[in-house]
Amino acid sequence: EAGVAQSPRYKIIEKRQSVAFWCNPISGHATLYWYQQILGQGPKLLIQFQNNGVVDDSQLPKDRFSAERLKGVDSTLKIQPAKLEDSAVYLCASSPLRLAGGQTNTGELFFGEGSRLTVL
Amino acid sequence: DQQVKQNSPSLSVQEGRISILNCDYTNSMFDYFLWYKKYPAEGPTFLISISSIKDKNEDGRFTVFLNKSAKHLSLHIVPSQPGDSAVYFCAASVSGNTPLVFGKGTRLSVIA
Repeated sequence: EAGVAQSPRYKIIEKRQSVAFWCNPISGHATLYWYQQILGQGPKLLIQFQNNGVVDDSQLPKDRFSAERLKGVDSTLKIQPAKLEDSAVYLCASSPLRLAGGQTNTGELFFGEGSRLTVL
Repeated sequence: DQQVKQNSPSLSVQEGRISILNCDYTNSMFDYFLWYKKYPAEGPTFLISISSIKDKNEDGRFTVFLNKSAKHLSLHIVPSQPGDSAVYFCAASVSGNTPLVFGKGTRLSVIA
């Protein structure tokens, strides 16, 4: 089974420029998450989608960050304009609503390798 | 305000010994707790979880203990192996399919 795919793996931009990250979740996973992980911190949720609807975007800085999952499959996260403090690894994760065997998913997420952003 | 806290940024253990990683939480609504392991340049991978209705869950060398009254959980790795060297994140959620809240992580080094 293919894992969560993310691109690009690395991106270096100057402040005030824009950047976009792409994520393709595991096939069949209804829920998709974007997390931001700043060096030395744990992942912090930016946005959660279920199919193509937003479930939680309360921690997304909406003045500069946007995300979409138009067809309920892959997703794009955009930052415009970028600030120095946006330097981080952006992690995409997906999860099924139910695990194999039919039991409710207890919160296990499947993460991609991440996209490392450096803002200069 | 950190709802999930891992107060030890790093831990060194000799190969073959027990590794104990600790995690505290403040939100009494959390009912699922998970541990993730992360190697450099890779995404976190799920290791083990526990529901709030249990106080222990074991999977091979890994055991998670939950003390709800103390709002504390710990991950025990016995015996520790050099391949266990990684950053370990504690995470918690309120029921399944809600976003995980992560701690800052503990870097475990297992010395041969």
